[in-house]
Amino acid sequence: DIEMTQSPSTLSASVGDRVIITCRASQSISSWLAWYQQKPGKAPNLLIYKASSLKSGVPSRFSGSGSGTEFTLTISSLQPDDFATYYCQQYNSYSPLTFGGGTKVDIK
Amino acid sequence: QVQLQESGPGLVKPSETLSLTCTVSGYYIISGYYWGWIRQSPGKGLEWIGSIYHGGTTYYNPSLKSRVTISVDTSNNQFSLRLSSVTAADTAVYYCARVGEYDYFDFWGQGNLVTVSS
Repeated sequence: DIEMTQSPSTLSASVGDRVIITCRASQSISSWLAWYQQKPGKAPNLLIYKASSLKSGVPSRFSGSGSGTEFTLTISSLQPDDFATYYCQQYNSYSPLTFGGGTKVDIK
Repeated sequence: QVQLQESGPGLVKPSETLSLTCTVSGYYIISGYYWGWIRQSPGKGLEWIGSIYHGGTTYYNPSLKSRVTISVDTSNNQFSLRLSSVTAADTAVYYCARVGEYDYFDFWGQGNLVTVSS
């Protein structure tokens, strides 16, 4: 299985801050990475796919980068609606599809 | 807009079979895409269970493969999950989702909490 490791596990930030979340894969996954946002009691919501492609309707303050084993999700200016938990997911292969452990972004 | 809705019992006894159905609206399953199940428990985070195409082709997580069956009912625009021989470790919120073009999940149901307990 491809293991996905996110850091940090928790991040405290203020509105307006630039936030960077990292996801590392245990082996190369090319650009086959997605990012999701999840709020309490809700399903995850796709933000970015193929490492850097923004899903239609997602604010442009979200961006993704990376390839191979190192990826980042950047929120350029944190908004009140962005306090949530973020997950990465690899889809390089079906053996199996795996998620990172999550990064909770809370209010400083 | 694609919408998915899980349905099924919220409580299952140990050793029994968990059964959930996902009803899709706003898109015909037979039109394409894979459709998947994911679960989320406090202990194990998000875990992919398996995916199915409208023609019946399936992919399962090897860790669950011996206990999982995913099927599709195109006439009712639904797909279903069966997980046999459940234990407390199978207690989780179960989500159904559409598998996007490259195996990410682009539309999700709201989730169905299933508790395994006697």
